[in-house]
Amino acid sequence: EVKLVESGGGLVQPGRSLKLSCAASGFSFNDYWMGWVRQAPGKGLEWIGEINQDSSTINYTPSLKDKFTISRDNAQNTLYLQMSKLGSEDTAIYYCARGWQVMDAWGQGASVTVSS
Amino acid sequence: DIQMTQSPASLSASLGETVTIECLASEDIYSNLAWYQQKPGKSPQLLIYYANSLNDGVPSRFSGSGSGTQYSLKINSLQSEDVSIYFCQQNYDSPPYTFGAGTKLELK
Repeated sequence: EVKLVESGGGLVQPGRSLKLSCAASGFSFNDYWMGWVRQAPGKGLEWIGEINQDSSTINYTPSLKDKFTISRDNAQNTLYLQMSKLGSEDTAIYYCARGWQVMDAWGQGASVTVSS
Repeated sequence: DIQMTQSPASLSASLGETVTIECLASEDIYSNLAWYQQKPGKSPQLLIYYANSLNDGVPSRFSGSGSGTQYSLKINSLQSEDVSIYFCQQNYDSPPYTFGAGTKLELK
């Protein structure tokens, strides 16, 4: 069974950084592109970015490119999202997902709240 | 960036009805369109990719169609478990792969 489990979410003060992890199991992690999508409370989905199998290609939505960094550790079957200079607009549920362009498996999400 | 305009924003239908959700792209996306279903309190799940290809395990009452800039998701014989928010996503050419704003489907 394909499983993606996000962790590392929580309450963070404005201007601070936070790193999310996504542990993958049930499939060959290093064969797949992976990505991140977020959803602000009561809002729609926002595509954050994606990373290819060997980390040689990483794409971001332009507005988040300078704040967010996607990485992966294939030995640990783990995907990461490093977020910096967080503001209230970054309050959301962050989902990791499997796939290039089309995301065919999603985690349950990690909740991030940016507030003082 | 390619903009996706989804309609309607919300929809109320009865059990057994057929419903259709539309998605309009700001430019030709050559059928590079996916549909996702998000049940209340859950993460999104892929329903359809490449405009009309059903993902594994998705009931056949779901279907997708369209080309160019106009796409639609059709649900035949609406079931109670179909109550969800539905999102389209374009994945044409280069990122970002933008989503529509979503359609909330409720039972009448």
